[in-house]
Amino acid sequence: DVHLLESGGRLVQPGGSLRLSCVASGFTRFPFSDFAMAWVRLRPGRGLEWVSTISGSGARTYYADPVKGRFTISRDNFKSTLYLQLDSLRAEDSAVYYCAKDGHGDFEPSYLDSWGRGTLVAVSS
Amino acid sequence: DIVMTQSPDSLAVSLGERATINCKSSQSLFYSSNNNNYLAWYQQKPGQPPKLLIYWASTRESGVPDRFSGSGSGTDFSLTISSLQAEDVALYYCQQYFRSPTTFGQGTRVEVK
Repeated sequence: DVHLLESGGRLVQPGGSLRLSCVASGFTRFPFSDFAMAWVRLRPGRGLEWVSTISGSGARTYYADPVKGRFTISRDNFKSTLYLQLDSLRAEDSAVYYCAKDGHGDFEPSYLDSWGRGTLVAVSS
Repeated sequence: DIVMTQSPDSLAVSLGERATINCKSSQSLFYSSNNNNYLAWYQQKPGQPPKLLIYWASTRESGVPDRFSGSGSGTDFSLTISSLQAEDVALYYCQQYFRSPTTFGQGTRVEVK
């Protein structure tokens, strides 16, 4: 089974920066690099919101409009690790951030068949 | 963006009874070239991440109990729990992946009556 473990969430002031990481394991049949990976967030009192996706090779990246220009997704396939750099943070970015694996391969958009437990980002002064 | 609207917002069902959640998309999610509807369903319990239940509108994910089923096509979809169990109490979300950005419904809370 694929296992995803996020880290890096914490309390940060508005305008601040943060880098989230997601270490992946359990890719036995196909390598980590065969799959697009995504970040999805759950804000208090709101539903699930897609944030960003990166292709398996890392060559293609996609962002939701509210985070475009402020967040940067990347991956290190040698380390089986996904990243999300969060800059110019706002209060409305406060959320649990989940990393998730593309269930269909290397597609965007796609359904997400494996999820980490999430890491909490709180933006407040 | 494609807007996904779930109904009802919450649902209370007796144990062993049927629960049905509806999901309506603002555009068709059916792609005629491969005969697929680009619709998934997730279950989220408190303190846990979402869990994929159904994809391609009606394909059950491996390990998901067969009391969960998905149906529908085009713009109207349903998730049915044929016999509600206590462990099914959760939030349920639909998701379209027909067009970027992928979008989710607002969620439906299922409780035991």
